[in-house]
Amino acid sequence: ETGVTQSPTHLIKTRGQQVTLRCSSQSGHNTVSWYQQALGQGPQFIFQYYREEENGRGNFPPRFSGLQFPNYSSELNVNALELDDSALYLCASSSQVSGTSYEQYFGPGTRLTVT
Amino acid sequence: GENVEQHPSTLSVQEGDSAVIKCTYSDSASNYFPWYKQELGKRPQLIIDIRSNVGEKKDQRIAVTLNKTAKHFSLHITETQPEDSAVYFCAAPYNNDMRFGAGTRLTVKP
Repeated sequence: ETGVTQSPTHLIKTRGQQVTLRCSSQSGHNTVSWYQQALGQGPQFIFQYYREEENGRGNFPPRFSGLQFPNYSSELNVNALELDDSALYLCASSSQVSGTSYEQYFGPGTRLTVT
Repeated sequence: GENVEQHPSTLSVQEGDSAVIKCTYSDSASNYFPWYKQELGKRPQLIIDIRSNVGEKKDQRIAVTLNKTAKHFSLHITETQPEDSAVYFCAAPYNNDMRFGAGTRLTVKP
């Protein structure tokens, strides 16, 4: 298993609510990427954080936002939840050197259900 | 942007046979190609990766080949075992984004 942890493991929210998901990166890793994985699909990139700043963003609306803390842990916030936001949210940690980071190790994910 | 196409979407083999999964990518600047295995209800697990300066990499029963000219790379699993049954994803980087294929569900029948 990787050293990447996520909390909570499961979450049920109502449409319109807000949610915060958390990720602790593997020791020695300075970069966290967030992905949304809908059932039966591959992970879709949401954004990446490096040195506490957003370092790339996928095709997700602004109501998806994030933070990275000095200890490299990260949060994903989703406002105004929609039914289509129901998915497995994965974070992946990696080590970025000279602007390049590749080997990503995933956490166990948070299963979000929006009703 | 980067587009990663993965085939087949499902693959069923007999235990002991080989399995091959193929991916194509569109960004010629991509230079790192990982493969992930995801068992039901679990996280994607990095099983092998290859960088663009080599054409093949092996790790026991698993190998990955890369053809940069044709922009495709493949995962080869030999002597398949029932515990190889899972969904396999290929990926390729685009800027700071890792683009994933849609996945291949591999079933190894005992």
